[in-house]
Amino acid sequence: ETGVTQSPTHLIKTRGQQVTLRCSSQSGHNTVSWYQQALGQGPQFIFQYYREEENGRGNFPPRFSGLQFPNYSSELNVNALELDDSALYLCASSLKRGSSYNEQFFGPGTRLTVL
Amino acid sequence: TQLLEQSPQFLSIQEGENLTVYCNSSSVFSSLQWYRQEPGEGPVLLVTVVTGGEVKKLKRLTFQFGDARKDSSLHITAAQPGDTGLYLCAGPDYGGSQGNLIFGKGTKLSVKP
Repeated sequence: ETGVTQSPTHLIKTRGQQVTLRCSSQSGHNTVSWYQQALGQGPQFIFQYYREEENGRGNFPPRFSGLQFPNYSSELNVNALELDDSALYLCASSLKRGSSYNEQFFGPGTRLTVL
Repeated sequence: TQLLEQSPQFLSIQEGENLTVYCNSSSVFSSLQWYRQEPGEGPVLLVTVVTGGEVKKLKRLTFQFGDARKDSSLHITAAQPGDTGLYLCAGPDYGGSQGNLIFGKGTKLSVKP
């Protein structure tokens, strides 16, 4: 069984640029959630994808967008990068059955630095 | 708004000591999870507690869910340097209907040999 993988591991961008982060979900999982973890903070929910559609969104502006592909992998896109976007971006996968909550398993994250 | 508050924020102890960290909320959670996160890594799930009053043990770690399902604690017996890390508690938002987790800010534990 393959766990959650993310790429790239680290990324440095400048303010105003755009970035795409990638996530492969754990085998057998159909749902991907993205979280932002600033230094010294707990992860904050960005959005979740299920069946290739956004299935819930946290308090993040529209310049944060995503995709889920038929193989359940996912991308997080951030446009017009700001300095405060510097953080560890975490992807978590789970198996969604109906409306019940299911445990999420996290990838190692992508460390984004915006200069 | 559901919030999870963790205390203490930082904890530095010697190997062999016992410790307890806390996770509190004014809201009821259907379940709470505890994660450990090491620098540059994603959180790793330690345990999920579901029933009020539930106690779960994982080797030297003991997790308890409050009777009212508003709080939880993690007790470590005879801490070892390998226990060093950020301990996060998390719970499903809005009873899990939106499928996302709310996290506390974490307790950063350092165990010195």
